[in-house]
This record gives sequence, C-alpha cells and structure tokens, in this order.
Amino acid sequence: KQEVTQIPAALSVPEGENLVLNCSFTDSAIYNLQWFRQDPGKGLTSLLLIQSSQREQTSGRLNASLDKSSGRSTLYIAASQPGDSATYLCAVKSGTYKYIFGTGTRLKVLA
Amino acid sequence: KAGVTQTPRYLIKTRGQQVTLSCSPISGHRSVSWYQQTPGQGLQFLFEYFSETQRNKGNFPGRFSGRQFSNSRSEMNVSTLELGDSALYLCASSFLVSQGRVGTEAFFGQGTRLTVV
Repeated sequence: KQEVTQIPAALSVPEGENLVLNCSFTDSAIYNLQWFRQDPGKGLTSLLLIQSSQREQTSGRLNASLDKSSGRSTLYIAASQPGDSATYLCAVKSGTYKYIFGTGTRLKVLA
Repeated sequence: KAGVTQTPRYLIKTRGQQVTLSCSPISGHRSVSWYQQTPGQGLQFLFEYFSETQRNKGNFPGRFSGRQFSNSRSEMNVSTLELGDSALYLCASSFLVSQGRVGTEAFFGQGTRLTVV
C-alpha cells in the first residue's frame, strides 16, 4: 500500500531564503509525481509534474527532483517571497488511476 | 482555456439529506476524479471516471456515488448526510490519450465546501 509522507509539516522562513520541501513514498512503482500548492480554503494549483522516467522538472523559481529508487522527491523554492506562503502537497500516482497525497507542508514566508 | 469548474462552491445541508455536486472538466479531458479533503484525514480519493466508466473507487461507504456523462461532466452524490461528511470536495480532470494509466497533469477545481449541520 502506497504511503506518502511530507517533512516538515510546517516551515517559517524569512523572505529571500532558498528552501527545500521533502516528499517520501513507500512504493517506487509509480507512474508520476505531482507537486501542488493550496491556498487556504481553495483548490489545488498544479506546480510541477514529474513522470517516472524523469529526474527533475523546473518552472521559474521552482525545481522538483525525483529519485524513485529511494522513494523521494524534493521541491526546491529559490528566493522565497511572501506570496509563496501556502500549503504544498505532493501526490503520487501508481497503478490504480488515483493520486495518493501527502499531508502537506505549511509554508509561511515572512516579509 | 477554462479550468475545472465545480458547482456549487458552498453548501449547507442538514443531517439525513442528500446532496449532488457537479464538476465540469477542462475541454478535451476525459478523466475526472473526486477527492474529499478534511483537516483530520487530508485528501482522500473517492472515485475516478473515464469515458463514463468508473475505473476505481476509494474506501468510502455506498452513500457516496458518482457518474460521468457523455460530455465528460461528472456529478457525485452523497445520500443520508452525516456530520462527518462535512469537507471540501475537490474534482480533478486529466487528459488521457487512451485508457492507459500513465497520466498527464491533473488539474483541480476550486472545490465545493459542504457543511452538514
């Protein structure tokens, strides 16, 4: 049974810092991994999708890596801004047409 | 290009009632999934539809049901509402070339906030 864990659960950093969010999964037989952002009371906004054959994806100040063999993904956010404050979720898709979500990392960037 | 549209955005219902939530996927997307989000359990998978067929169902009681129409729009229904059904219900759509499992990016709607009193 696939389980997804995100560490840390919460993070507070000053503006401008580079930071890393971690996602671990127990079953390496995945099709893809997707990172999302969720603002309070809102839906999920897709940030990056990494297919199982890929090692990393980049979009602007965001970079996500995937290491299937160790069951890990990291989301790197460069030069953090107050507007980056949100909950970040990783989700893993395996063979059953569904995503398994982590519990999220609640990020607060202080101005 | 319009995103995933969920209606209504907010609902307040009484225990024992039933409710129907609607999801319109991005044009061209044939896969629609539903998730329940609560503070205690996080995001949990309800079901997934592709071309009007339910391909997978999560571990929820039979009071939770869904369907997909020929235009890919989907509805989910919850009968005999309980207080514990209060949650944010999220719909996601994806584009799949065939019935393969290798998914493209999933796009989520803003959700329907259901409150059961």
